[in-house]
Amino acid sequence: DAMVIQNPRYQVTQFGKPVTLSCSQTLNHNVMYWYQQKSSQAPKLLFHYYDKDFNNEADTPDNFQSRRPNTSFCFLDIRSPGLGDAAMYLCATSRGGALAGGTQYFGPGTRLTVT
Amino acid sequence: GQQVMQIPQYQHVQEGEDFTTYCNSSTTLSNIQWYKQRPGGHPVFLIQLVKSGEVKKQKRLTFQFGEAKKNSSLHITATQTTDVGTYFCAGLTSGTYKYIFGTGTRLKVLA
Repeated sequence: DAMVIQNPRYQVTQFGKPVTLSCSQTLNHNVMYWYQQKSSQAPKLLFHYYDKDFNNEADTPDNFQSRRPNTSFCFLDIRSPGLGDAAMYLCATSRGGALAGGTQYFGPGTRLTVT
Repeated sequence: GQQVMQIPQYQHVQEGEDFTTYCNSSTTLSNIQWYKQRPGGHPVFLIQLVKSGEVKKQKRLTFQFGEAKKNSSLHITATQTTDVGTYFCAGLTSGTYKYIFGTGTRLKVLA
């Protein structure tokens, strides 16, 4: 049973053409994360939601936006993709707690190609 | 800013040899997690360590959290070809829900 689902798995977009990646979860976790992972690199946190509270990383470009309309869904919008934005985008969820963020469950990722 | 470094960056071993990757944080962590990412796949959770000096074992894998909660290690005994992948540690900054991933160690096992 899929717990964190990402669509599409592969996305090709043109330089400058807006694109939206989606993530849904069946775990009812209150924390959702978006990571960017480039080849042979570690996942890099872009932003995360704790419930409806949005937390942006200081070095996340303004070109990247996110929406979380409800607990189950989270979207990553790239307003004007550049060639440097080609990467794997990973969505993850966790059940937030007082001390620890809990186990992160990752989706399979969306591989974005920019032409 | 906070950094989490892993060494080595790459490791090639013969099947049956042991393997260790080390994770070092520039700041104290409230907990640390380990993930395995197969080539072309996504990170898969292996284990979480919370207590200072904690040691946990999963079959051939042994995980350790340092006394100062700034470093951790993963040791694999008698590697198998199924152990191939990149191993990441991810440290949780105290008081936040933000994980900082280590730089990763890519393991190749030669049959």
